[in-house]
Amino acid sequence: GQNIDQPTEMTATEGAIVQINCTYQTSGFNGLFWYQQHAGEAPTFLSYNVLDGLEEKGRFSSFLSRSKGYSYLLLKELQMKDSASYLCAVRVDYGQNFVFGPGTRLSVLP
Amino acid sequence: DSGVTQTPKHLITATGQRVTLRCSPRSGDLSVYWYQQSLDQGLQFLIQYYNGEERAKGNILERFSAQQFPDLHSELNLSSLELGDSALYFCASSISGGKETQYFGPGTRLLVL
Repeated sequence: GQNIDQPTEMTATEGAIVQINCTYQTSGFNGLFWYQQHAGEAPTFLSYNVLDGLEEKGRFSSFLSRSKGYSYLLLKELQMKDSASYLCAVRVDYGQNFVFGPGTRLSVLP
Repeated sequence: DSGVTQTPKHLITATGQRVTLRCSPRSGDLSVYWYQQSLDQGLQFLIQYYNGEERAKGNILERFSAQQFPDLHSELNLSSLELGDSALYFCASSISGGKETQYFGPGTRLLVL
């Protein structure tokens, strides 16, 4: 089967750094995506990793270790508007197309 | 604004009924994906179309069907509706359905009473 795990909720302070972890066990692997989703809105793309290592994009970075089935999303200089759910998704090769994790709800406090 | 449009934004209907959700992809995108998001199950991939042909199938019930038309818009048909079908239905599009990212539409909120 396909399984992706993320912490359900996290809380951090404005201006701080937070790391959201994602572990996966899937039948295939063709890339890992991170999306941000504000309540009641559509997911928006944040980052994509297909090779091991760190991808940096402004205040957001994402790391992948394929051998460990592990990724994290790092958010720096947190702002109130970063309060949202963060979805980890794996693109698998066979049968099912995308598998999404349950999402991590991040609350940024002043 | 992602460039993906979905109609209607909200839909209220009764159990046993049939509804059609519509999606227009971003200009130039050939691939369309359908997702269901409910409170207890998160985002679930339903089905993908590429240039009119079905490419991948996820957790889509037999009561649900979809198609992509020559102008590349797509429709998701939900029939014999049950209370548990109440959810947000998202459409997403991408250029080719390969490794590039998907852009999500605003969603259709379906409530089955």
